[in-house]
Amino acid sequence: DVKVTQSSRYLVKRTGEKVFLECVQDMDHENMFWYRQDPGLGLRLIYFSYDVKMKEKGDIPEGYSVSREKKERFSLILESASTNQTSMYLCASTRQGSYNEQFFGPGTRLTVL
Amino acid sequence: AQSVSQHNHHVILSEAASLELGCNYSYGGTVNLFWYVQYPGQHLQLLLKYFSGDPLVKGIKGFEAEFIKSKFSFNLRKPSVQWSDTAEYFCAVIANQAGTALIFGKGTTLSVSS
Repeated sequence: DVKVTQSSRYLVKRTGEKVFLECVQDMDHENMFWYRQDPGLGLRLIYFSYDVKMKEKGDIPEGYSVSREKKERFSLILESASTNQTSMYLCASTRQGSYNEQFFGPGTRLTVL
Repeated sequence: AQSVSQHNHHVILSEAASLELGCNYSYGGTVNLFWYVQYPGQHLQLLLKYFSGDPLVKGIKGFEAEFIKSKFSFNLRKPSVQWSDTAEYFCAVIANQAGTALIFGKGTTLSVSS
């Protein structure tokens, strides 16, 4: 069974803080993704990575950065958190190839005060 | 740019009613299509997927979807819903020439009353 884990289920931070969201997958998947999920907007892709140290911007990368130093770990970084980054953040992973199912983590609900 | 449109934001049904959730995508080339479901408090999980072959695909829990290429549609159906089908449903597409990132619709919330 593929397992995608995220470091926190709930996180509360203050405006201006640097925030790290961690994601780990245990199935040796090449591709990893970060989405944010907001009511009425669905899932929007922030960044993805198809290999170690490789990253690609998604639809809404502004205010975020990512790091992939090891194949199993993909970190999302909010350099200076703002209230409009309050959201549910979902990590996913998949094998190389567009025909493969993405497996999702449980999500991190981030609140920025 | 590719996009996915889900027609209904919120659908309310009684148990045993039939369900059809609409999904249209905008991309002229070859696509792979998915329906994901998110039950309250749970992970997103795959319901079904279409890559090629028979345009009518069957998924878990009695769900099915039909790919109609001429209409750019991939509608989700279930003949008789149960209270446990209450969830949020997302249609998603990968345009094969555009890489491996899924493009999601905005989701449809299904509420089933018993």
